Amino acid sequence: IQLLESGGGLVQPGGSLRLSCAASGFTFSSYAMTWVRQAPGKGLQWVSAISGSGSTTYYTDSVKGRFTISRDNSKNTVYLQMDSLRVEDTATYFCAKDVRSLPKDWFDPWGQGTLVTVSS
Amino acid sequence: DIVLTQSPGTLSLSPGERATLSCRASQSVSSSYLAWYQQKPGQAPRLLIHGVSSRATGIPDRFSGSGSGTDFTLTISRLEPEDFAVYYCQHYGSSRTFGQGTKVEIK
Repeated sequence: IQLLESGGGLVQPGGSLRLSCAASGFTFSSYAMTWVRQAPGKGLQWVSAISGSGSTTYYTDSVKGRFTISRDNSKNTVYLQMDSLRVEDTATYFCAKDVRSLPKDWFDPWGQGTLVTVSS
Repeated sequence: DIVLTQSPGTLSLSPGERATLSCRASQSVSSSYLAWYQQKPGQAPRLLIHGVSSRATGIPDRFSGSGSGTDFTLTISRLEPEDFAVYYCQHYGSSRTFGQGTKVEIK
């Protein structure tokens, strides 16, 4: 199983960025996918999750209305559209595979992460 | 949401010693929904334990998890050089949260 994130970079406050996570090695549509972030030198924070079918999405309160998670099961890819970015969104963003089709469990494995820096 | 508090913040030990890491929940964790991860600098977290005590595939048996209710423990029976890292506990189920981490450093 491999998860490969991309799309990170430097963006100004108020800007937008779209992260991608390309998956391989498993039946992608059968598993929920999750984004977890880690601010520099800090701990892990769950950000968003999407069910295997894509019909159900979940967000932590601090990103509701600004971030949108989606997936394309034909491309084995999950996305995180991040709008109205804030300085406090600066972090490494990891995508992680859930162990079932609904996002209620632990994460295994994780991608290597992509760094998002929000700064003027 | 359940808040997880890990202690100590840093554990200074020598290779070969036993490490005991604590994770305390703000309310009872139902159905053993507790996992542990290891993270080394510049790397992604790696699953060690799920369901309080079930080792993930490929995890050595020197790692063990225990506990119930609100108090959980990750034990590393004899520290190997590659075990010095940061460890996080995670609650899952209706919501998913992480503890703030415990760093195991070489004494």
